[in-house]
Amino acid sequence: AQSVTQLDSQVPVFEEAPVELRCNYSSSVSVYLFWYVQYPNQGLQLLLKYLSGSTLVKGINGFEAEFNKSQTSFHLRKPSVHISDTAEYFCGTSYDKVIFGPGTSLSVIP
Amino acid sequence: EAQVTQNPRYLITVTGKKLTVTCSQNMNHEYMSWYRQDPGLGLRQIYYSMNVEVTDKGDVPEGYKVSRKEKRNFPLILESPSPNQTSLYFCASSLGRGGQEQFFGPGTRLTVL
Repeated sequence: AQSVTQLDSQVPVFEEAPVELRCNYSSSVSVYLFWYVQYPNQGLQLLLKYLSGSTLVKGINGFEAEFNKSQTSFHLRKPSVHISDTAEYFCGTSYDKVIFGPGTSLSVIP
Repeated sequence: EAQVTQNPRYLITVTGKKLTVTCSQNMNHEYMSWYRQDPGLGLRQIYYSMNVEVTDKGDVPEGYKVSRKEKRNFPLILESPSPNQTSLYFCASSLGRGGQEQFFGPGTRLTVL
């Protein structure tokens, strides 16, 4: 069975500081990994995804994530956050079914 | 404009009164899916469909039905809604299963009294 864990439910960070949002997954089969962002009162938008190949994946808005198979992790990073990055971030896996983590609320403080 | 539409956007109903939430996409996508979003639980997949007449259960299918008679439409049916189905519902579509990007609708906020 697949599952996704996002250990940090809330992450406050000052503007222009770096941030890392953690994601761990478990699966008995190879799956695809992704991060989606949900801005307040909106639907979800794909940030980035990992299918295969290079373990460092670059996405939109300056975000990147690194796939670590031995640690079953797919942490999301950004070197310098902006106020506009304030949103809910969801990690997940997919094959046939899609499994989302519970989400991490990122709050950027001016 | 490529999009996923859902109707209604907001719905307040009473226990036991059958309802349908419609979902339509104009991107000729094969894969469609329904999710519910609840605080602290993220999004949980209710049902998905890999093509016309092909549907399968997600993680939380109890109390819901779906059908896929046409490629563009994927309605969600609650035959006898209960208060624990009060939630924010999202429809999504993608070219295929697996690593394809999903495009989400705007959401339907359902309240069951």
